[in-house]
Amino acid sequence: DSGVTQTPKHLITATGQRVTLRCSPRSGDLSVYWYQQSLDQGLQFLIQYYNGEERAKGNILERFSAQQFPDLHSELNLSSLELGDSALYFCASSVDSINSPLHFGNGTRLTVT
Amino acid sequence: GENVEQHPSTLSVQEGDSAVIKCTYSDSASNYFPWYKQELGKRPQLIIDIRSNVGEKKDQRIAVTLNKTAKHFSLHITETQPEDSAVYFCAASGQGAQKLVFGQGTRLTINP
Repeated sequence: DSGVTQTPKHLITATGQRVTLRCSPRSGDLSVYWYQQSLDQGLQFLIQYYNGEERAKGNILERFSAQQFPDLHSELNLSSLELGDSALYFCASSVDSINSPLHFGNGTRLTVT
Repeated sequence: GENVEQHPSTLSVQEGDSAVIKCTYSDSASNYFPWYKQELGKRPQLIIDIRSNVGEKKDQRIAVTLNKTAKHFSLHITETQPEDSAVYFCAASGQGAQKLVFGQGTRLTINP
């Protein structure tokens, strides 16, 4: 167990809908990262937060947004969903904002129908 | 920004043989290079990492080497076992990148 908790484990929704993915980092970790993994694809970096502030941004679509709350949990909001958004979304956390090992959660599998 | 290339995309070796996976990176400021193992349907898990002030690091059957001049690093697995079958990802990050960028992954299959 990595100590990173992601909910829900599975999510099935229709095109055009909006969903929220939740992540609780390991105790003591200040940094949260979101990654997208499509079928048989690599890990695409979406966004990183450190202690409540956005620290780095990757190829995150404008339809997606995220935030990290004062208690350090994070939410990833996906709106106007398209079929191509179906993927495994991983949250990871680390102690520092950079050059620290990332600990991944078990992911949320999103299926858009 | 940082770009990480990983080769090969698939690798099949006989049980007991060695496996080598190679990665190159583009940002000379990168100074942290972890390797992750992802079993089917599971989360990526850190197996070893190396920082730019070290040329090689070993942990039992796993070793990583780093050549900063050439901007490449490699994962070596010796005496492979069936449980080594998984997808392996290299990654790089540093002050210049501000984020951990992953390679595309190598699907390693150990044949009994």
